[in-house]
Amino acid sequence: GQQVMQIPQYQHVQEGEDFTTYCNSSTTLSNIQWYKQRPGGHPVFLIQLVKSGEVKKQKRLTFQFGEAKKNSSLHITATQTTDVGTYFCDYGQNFVFGPGTRLSVLP
Amino acid sequence: NAGVMQNPRHLVRRRGQEARLRCSPMKGHSHVYWYRQLPEEGLKFMVYLQKENIIDESGMPKERFSAEFPKEGPSILRIQQVVRGDSAAYFCASSPGQGARGYTFGSGTRLTVV
Repeated sequence: GQQVMQIPQYQHVQEGEDFTTYCNSSTTLSNIQWYKQRPGGHPVFLIQLVKSGEVKKQKRLTFQFGEAKKNSSLHITATQTTDVGTYFCDYGQNFVFGPGTRLSVLP
Repeated sequence: NAGVMQNPRHLVRRRGQEARLRCSPMKGHSHVYWYRQLPEEGLKFMVYLQKENIIDESGMPKERFSAEFPKEGPSILRIQQVVRGDSAAYFCASSPGQGARGYTFGSGTRLTVV
């Protein structure tokens, strides 16, 4: 069946450094969604990507969908302590979420 | 415009008791999804419901767990004869339709079995 891989599992960065997490699929996707969950909080929808090669930006966050629609990335420029949390991807298929990347930001 | 409402926020049950978790979807949303999250782990799909119908329960344990979404009222996730391993955060999400853009999640119910 379809495999959802997300890397890295954990990332520790110094405040001001950049951060990237990747979601990789074994099959071609129709769309992908990204969520953020703060510690002790609930997942919050960030964005949906649909088109091959699509790039979307939200302030310091840049989301990209691969040309083959098998992978996606979330890049945060100049991290802040408010970026702390776990970032999940959702492939929109079989209700499966990626395992998440837990980001910690050291001040 | 209330979001997804879950209650209770925290629930403590003794082993063997029943836990009943409630979820009211966002206004205009007719699709409800339940997820379980163990401490330090990801979201595990449990069940997908529409009004009066279970669409996909492939993630539900075969025993002790059940879910419903009646014509009137909230969706209910019921866990009978709880065990310590049921301790987790249970999140409900809703959407206006399957495949709709993104889910809106509730704040979750933190179940602790003592």
